[in-house]
Amino acid sequence: EAGVTQSPRYAVLQEGQAVSFWCDPISGHDTLYWYQQPRDQGPQLLVYFRDEAVIDNSQLPSDRFSAVRPKGTNSTLKIQSAKQGDTATYLCASSTAEVFFGKGTRLTVV
Amino acid sequence: GQQVQQSPASLVLQEGENAELQCNFSTSLNSMQWFYQRPGGSLVSLFYNPSGTKHSGRLTSTTVIKERRSSLHISSSQTTDSGTYLCALEFSGSWQLIFGSGTQLTVMP
Repeated sequence: EAGVTQSPRYAVLQEGQAVSFWCDPISGHDTLYWYQQPRDQGPQLLVYFRDEAVIDNSQLPSDRFSAVRPKGTNSTLKIQSAKQGDTATYLCASSTAEVFFGKGTRLTVV
Repeated sequence: GQQVQQSPASLVLQEGENAELQCNFSTSLNSMQWFYQRPGGSLVSLFYNPSGTKHSGRLTSTTVIKERRSSLHISSSQTTDSGTYLCALEFSGSWQLIFGSGTQLTVMP
């Protein structure tokens, strides 16, 4: 069975540029999470979905970040006008009970 | 609020020694997982263990709901066990997975 797939694996941006991250969860998993993990820190939840519905996006910087999961399967996380402080690994995870993580997208904003 | 506390923050062992990592939580939970992460690596699920004891090779996870704690025991440590161990909990009434701050384990040859 395929795991959680994320792309791209790496991204390097200038400040002010936009970027989108894509996640394909494990088939049948109704819950999907996006986490931000700065270097040498633990993962911090940004947003999570149950099917296509956003359950909690209170930690998502709403002025520049957005996340969608329109059909309750794949999901896209977008950053408009990236800042150096957004430099981190962005992790997608999915679950029905046990949570499984993708390999992440390592973002560097210079 | 909902809190997860992991200890110790860091641990250095000689190869062959055992380790006991702890995770304490403040409220009732739906699930508990232990993850392993190498520097720059992805999060690997070690155990999904909402209650009781589970074994996998040299690893043992024990979650005691009444005492609001979970432990990860590593026996006969190896240098390849080095990395960060994170506990993560889903609290009752939420699907949100909240992480502890992690234990950074270094096993010396």
